[in-house]
Amino acid sequence: AQSVTQLDSQVPVFEEAPVELRCNYSSSVSVYLFWYVQYPNQGLQLLLKYLSGSTLVESINGFEAEFNKSQTSFHLRKPSVHISDTAEYFCAVTGNYGGATNKLIFGTGTLLAVQP
Amino acid sequence: NAGVMQNPRHLVRRRGQEARLRCSPMKGHSHVYWYRQLPEEGLKFMVYLQKENIIDESGMPKERFSAEFPKEGPSILRIQQVVRGDSAAYFCASSPNGVWADTQYFGPGTRLTVL
Repeated sequence: AQSVTQLDSQVPVFEEAPVELRCNYSSSVSVYLFWYVQYPNQGLQLLLKYLSGSTLVESINGFEAEFNKSQTSFHLRKPSVHISDTAEYFCAVTGNYGGATNKLIFGTGTLLAVQP
Repeated sequence: NAGVMQNPRHLVRRRGQEARLRCSPMKGHSHVYWYRQLPEEGLKFMVYLQKENIIDESGMPKERFSAEFPKEGPSILRIQQVVRGDSAAYFCASSPNGVWADTQYFGPGTRLTVL
């Protein structure tokens, strides 16, 4: 069975400090990996995704994630966070599980709390 | 291009009533997914539909829950005889092609509270 683990439920960090949000997955098939961000009382927005090719993917607002197949990880990083980055971050995976659907399997989320 | 629309945004029901949640996908998208987010948990897949067809309902509870995506109009997630455990945020997502690499675009969600 496929699963996603986000070990940190909450990550407090000071503004302008670097941050890493961890994501590990388990899958018996090739996967596509996603990071979504959810601001309070809003829906999920795609932050970045890995499909193939370069293992390092970047978003437009300074986040990056690296696909590491040997460690089955897809950690999210940002070198300098802003107050506005405060949100819940979800790692998700999809793959050819043998059915007809590309359903996403989500981790439990990590709350990034940026403090001034 | 309008995003995924969901209504109502908040819904309050008493135990035993019915809840109807609506989702209009992005223009040009014919693939709709429903997810449920229970308090303090991540999103869980419920059902995947294309126009007039249910493709995968492996995440739907066996009883009281149903979904449809008619030829015309929004997708509907229906919960009959709601119980307190149904209180959650229900998110709809849509995608253009339904293939593995497709990005799913999420709506703002409907927050259901069962009293």
